[in-house]
Parts: sequence; structure tokens; C-alpha cells
Amino acid sequence: EVQLVQSGAEVKKPGESLKISCKGSGYSFTSYWIGWVRQMPGKGLEWMGIIYPGDSDTRYSPSFQGQVTISADKSISTAYLQWSSLKASDTAMYYCARRQYSSGLGRSYYFDYWGQGTLVTVSS
Amino acid sequence: AIQMTQSPSSLSASVGDRVTITCRASQGIRNDLGWYQQKPGKAPKLLIYAASSLQSGVPSRFSGSGSGTDFTLTISSLQPEDFATYYCLQDYNYLGTFGQGTKVEIK
Repeated sequence: EVQLVQSGAEVKKPGESLKISCKGSGYSFTSYWIGWVRQMPGKGLEWMGIIYPGDSDTRYSPSFQGQVTISADKSISTAYLQWSSLKASDTAMYYCARRQYSSGLGRSYYFDYWGQGTLVTVSS
Repeated sequence: AIQMTQSPSSLSASVGDRVTITCRASQGIRNDLGWYQQKPGKAPKLLIYAASSLQSGVPSRFSGSGSGTDFTLTISSLQPEDFATYYCLQDYNYLGTFGQGTKVEIK
């Protein structure tokens, strides 16, 4: 069974650093991209970026480039999302998801399995 | 970056109604579009991928259509468990964008 299990909720102060995790199981972790998605309180979903754990190829949305770092440790099947200096505006739920590829009628990528989400609260 | 314009932002409907949600891409994305359902406090769930392919386990009352820039999600007969927020997501050229979401509420 494919599973993505995220680390627990975090409460941090502005300026602090943070690294949250997403552990994959039940599939070949190095063969699928993993994506990160932000959802601010009461708002919609935002695509942050993706990483291919096989070679650590990483792509960022322009909105998040330079604001966060996405990484992965394939030896423990875990992807990470980290901040070096948190802001109050980083308060949100963060989801990881597995990026699947369909080569059927037309090639398409999509997120088929999702983690349960990690709530990050940044407050002084 | 490709922009996705989703409409409407919300709608009220009754059980049994036919519901249609649309997404328009700012440039052609072939059929690289998925539809997701999110209920409060839960992670999103994939409904449709490649614009029109039904994800395994998803009821057949959900369907998707479109290609290029214009896409549609249709719920043929709305059920009580379908009241939720729906999002489109394009993932063309390794840079994804979600639509703004459509909240489907009970009339």
C-alpha cells in the first residue's frame, strides 16, 4: 500500500528555522517525483515545487523560489521542506504528494497519493 | 507561469443536480490537467487525471473533458458526500498551478 506519512504539527517563532518531512512507503521512492503544496488558513491550494529523489532534480514555483528548500534522502525514502527564517505568513498546512505519470491517451502528470498534511504555525 | 482560471468560485446545488465546473489555462497544456476534491480538514483527493481519465475507485458520476486551454469537471447527479471544494491542477512542463477552487454547497 502506497503511503506518505508527514511529520507532526509545528509551532515556531518568526525567524526560526524548520524542516518538515514526508516519508514514502509501499513503492519505489526513487522512481516518482514528490511535490509540496501549501494551503494557508481558509485559502486554496498552491503548488510549491517538486523533487525527484532518484537524482534530487528539483523544480520550484517562482512564488516559492528562494523562500523554501526542497530536498530528499533516498536512503530513508524521505522528502523534506525547509525554511531558514520563518515568517508569520508561512503559517499554513503543508501537504506532500506523489507525482504520477500517465502515458495513456496523452502524457500527463498528476498527484495520486497525498500525505496527511503538516500544520505549521508561526507566531511570536 | 501558466495561470488557471477556475469558475465559478462557489455554487449552491441540490442533491441530484448536474454540476459543471470549468478551468481555463492561460496557454495550451494539451490534456495535462487533473481535478481534485477536498473536504474540510482533509487532504485533497484525485478524481480525474489527464483531463478525462477517472481515477480508480472514484464514482462514475464524476467526469472530465477538454484539451488545450478549456476543461470541465461534471458531476452528473450530485450526492450528499460530494459537497466539498474542487480544484483543477495543471502540471505542464514541471511547473504546476492550481485553480482558485470551487466550493459546492447545499442549496
